[in-house]
Amino acid sequence: GAGVSQSPSNKVTEKGKDVELRCDPISGHTALYWYRQSLGQGLEFLIYFQGNSAPDKSGLPSDRFSAERTGGSVSTLTIQRTQQEDSAVYLCASSLAQWTGELFFGEGSRLTVL
Amino acid sequence: GIQVEQSPPDLILQEGANSTLRCNFSDSVNNLQWFHQNPWGQLINLFYIPSGTKQNGRLSATTVATERYSLLYISSSQTTDSGVYFCAVERGNNDMRFGAGTRLTVKP
Repeated sequence: GAGVSQSPSNKVTEKGKDVELRCDPISGHTALYWYRQSLGQGLEFLIYFQGNSAPDKSGLPSDRFSAERTGGSVSTLTIQRTQQEDSAVYLCASSLAQWTGELFFGEGSRLTVL
Repeated sequence: GIQVEQSPPDLILQEGANSTLRCNFSDSVNNLQWFHQNPWGQLINLFYIPSGTKQNGRLSATTVATERYSLLYISSSQTTDSGVYFCAVERGNNDMRFGAGTRLTVKP
């Protein structure tokens, strides 16, 4: 697509429910990143993919968080048993090159856990 | 991991003023980018600048990689420049790390 697409744009869920966030990167971009941004804060790195593999999962906040990428394209970030502290905007970005490349962001998925 | 520090954390300007934002990083980098996050939350690329100087209209950026810092210059600021400016760096492992940002408010 023309840009990075994320869905849903807004998600309100109850504590304890599972949620799935989707990211569709720019066509041909091999690197894909997930970040989290709490209100008024900076960007917290969660995970990145090079192709379908995720060399570094150390940024995931807990084992309730998981992510996958299939076909070198779409990625899903899953949060199980959501907690109120998971409320944030989840941002996805992609870039073309493996070692260097401009990062392009989607508009984010705003998650609110009640 | 690499540390990224941005200064100042907050900046208030009168429309028409110039400003300089700074990004310091703790190790050599392959990639450095400046982003603007507008009041609606969208992150927009400003510069991809691992070294050297670039200009785009009223904005310019300089990265001195050997001294591990980058500067973003905004001239003749406008109210639409308001938002948060982030610096992000990457060491060659696709791990882009962001600074805490500089929150800019431009008053009319």
